[in-house]
Parts: sequence; structure tokens; C-alpha cells
Amino acid sequence: AQSVTQLGSHVSVSEGALVLLRCNYSSSVPPYLFWYVQYPNQGLQLLLKYTSAATLVKGINGFEAEFKKSETSFHLTKPSAHMRDAAEYFCAVSEIGRTGGYNKLIFGAGTRLAVHP
Amino acid sequence: DAGITQSPRHKVTETGTPVTLRCHQTENHRYMYWYRQDPGHGLRLIHYSYGVKDTDKGEVSDGYSVSRSKTEDFLLTLESATSSQTSVYFCAISEGQGNYEQYFGPGTRLTVT
Repeated sequence: AQSVTQLGSHVSVSEGALVLLRCNYSSSVPPYLFWYVQYPNQGLQLLLKYTSAATLVKGINGFEAEFKKSETSFHLTKPSAHMRDAAEYFCAVSEIGRTGGYNKLIFGAGTRLAVHP
Repeated sequence: DAGITQSPRHKVTETGTPVTLRCHQTENHRYMYWYRQDPGHGLRLIHYSYGVKDTDKGEVSDGYSVSRSKTEDFLLTLESATSSQTSVYFCAISEGQGNYEQYFGPGTRLTVT
């Protein structure tokens, strides 16, 4: 079965600093990978997704992620953090269901990003 | 924003009582999902639906049942609520499979006392 590991449940950066959130996955087939963001008391919102078209994926709010097959990683980065980026971030991999062909997402445990002035 | 609503948004109930949560969509998407979110676990799939009256179990389905009699509604029932089912429940919808995005509702916070 596929799985997702997010290294670091909490990450703290200064405003203007680089943001790096780590995600490693396990999959026996080429995966579809996603990053979602959750602001307090809200549902999840898609930041970006990897669908094999390009290894460097650009998303909303200045975030991007690079798919590295050799490292089974899909780390999320942003060059300069802003206070509004404080949220919880989830990496997810799409898995085929038992009966075949269904879009099931397997989520990592999440990384809470704090941004200091 | 995708048209997904969940009701109720907050509920407190007692151990042993049945509880039904409702997810309603206006997007006419085929796929619908119920997740629960708990600290340190991310989101875990409870049940999902791939069409009217077509449902299947997720990874944490024990103690839960679902029904989908119309495209727009997906109900989650806790047959006899337990304290371990205290959680935040999210509904999601998807137009297709594989690389299709899932859109999430606002969540229902359920407390079982």
C-alpha cells in the first residue's frame, strides 16, 4: 500500500525566509501527488499537484514542489515566507482503490508552519 | 469555491447515541468521500462513494456506515457513538479519479461525551 511521510510536525521560520516542508512517499507505481493547505477552522485547499507532466510544479501563493523519483520525495518550498502562510500543510498520494480505478487520497500527518515577524 | 456544505457544523452527543452527518454538493461530481481528522494522523478515509448507491470502505470504517441515494447527498452515520469517534469530519468531492483534485467541505466538529 502507498504511504506518505512528512518529516517534521512543526516548522518555524522568520518572515522572508525560505520555507521547506518535506514529503516522502512510497508507491509501486508512478504516483499522483498533492499538497494541500489548511487554515485554522477551515477545510483543505489544494496548493499544487504532480501529474507527471513536469517534475517542478508551481502552485498558488508562490509555492512550488519538485518531484524526485530517485528520492521518492515531493518537497514543498517557497522562497520567502509571509505571515499569511502560517497554516497546516498536508502531502497526499493518490491510490487506486480495492475495486480499481478510484481516486483515494492517502495523507501524511501534516506539518504546521509558524511564521515569525 | 466548490459548492459543498456539511451539516451540522458542530455537534455534541452522548456515548451510545446514533449520529448522522450530512454532506451536500451542488457540483454534480461523481465521487464523494468522508474523512476524519485527528492530531498526528492527518486525514483518514472512512468511506467513499463512486456513484449513487455505490459505496466502499476506507481505512477506518469500523463503527460507521454511509448512504448515497442522490448524487448530491452523502450521509455518514455513527451507529452508536463512542468517545473515540470525537473528531473533525470532512466531506470531499471529486469529478474524476487519479490526478483529479478533491474539494473539501468546511468540516463538522463532533464531540462524544
